[in-house]
Amino acid sequence: GNSVTQMEGPVTLSEEAFLTINCTYTATGYPSLFWYVQYPGEGLQLLLKATKADDKGSNKGFEATYRKETTSFHLEKGSVQVSDSAVYFCALGSGGSYIPTFGRGTSLIVHP
Amino acid sequence: GAGVSQSPSNKVTEKGKDVELRCDPISGHTALYWYRQSLGQGLEFLIYFQGNSAPDKSGLPSDRFSAERTGGSVSTLTIQRTQQEDSAVYLCASSWKGGGGGETQYFGPGTRLLVL
Repeated sequence: GNSVTQMEGPVTLSEEAFLTINCTYTATGYPSLFWYVQYPGEGLQLLLKATKADDKGSNKGFEATYRKETTSFHLEKGSVQVSDSAVYFCALGSGGSYIPTFGRGTSLIVHP
Repeated sequence: GAGVSQSPSNKVTEKGKDVELRCDPISGHTALYWYRQSLGQGLEFLIYFQGNSAPDKSGLPSDRFSAERTGGSVSTLTIQRTQQEDSAVYLCASSWKGGGGGETQYFGPGTRLLVL
């Protein structure tokens, strides 16, 4: 079946540091890949997505590239801000299932 | 706004009582999902509704949990005889068609349930 594995947190960084949150997946067929973000006290919201191999999703300075050869979709940002502190979820959606598969989430804490 | 809304935002109840959680999806979205998020855990799928089709209840953890969706819109998740392990954030999400694939899910803010 489908699965998503993302690095455990918390990830603690200083403001303006470089961020990488690793995400790898297992899926049949050609899934779409997502990053969702959950700010404290809120629900999840879409951060970015990619629907086919080599696509790059980007939003708010975050980027992730769909790498089929390594089955990965790592999230990166060049310079994090305190306001980026949140929990980040990697997810996949496969045409074979209407239930998306979510990773366990990675907490990011950014200090001033 | 026209996002997904959930009520109540917080609910404290005593063990053994029944609770009802409400979700109002985005207008026009035919797919609706319920998830449970326990402290420090990921998302646990509970139930899925798609249009007028029979719901997928495969994620419900016990027969104390049930859900309805009336008129293809508002949904209610009911937990009977609540237990302390039911304490969690219950998230609702909707999407246009629920066909999986590249479809984005839109989440509500959640209901934080605490069972004493």
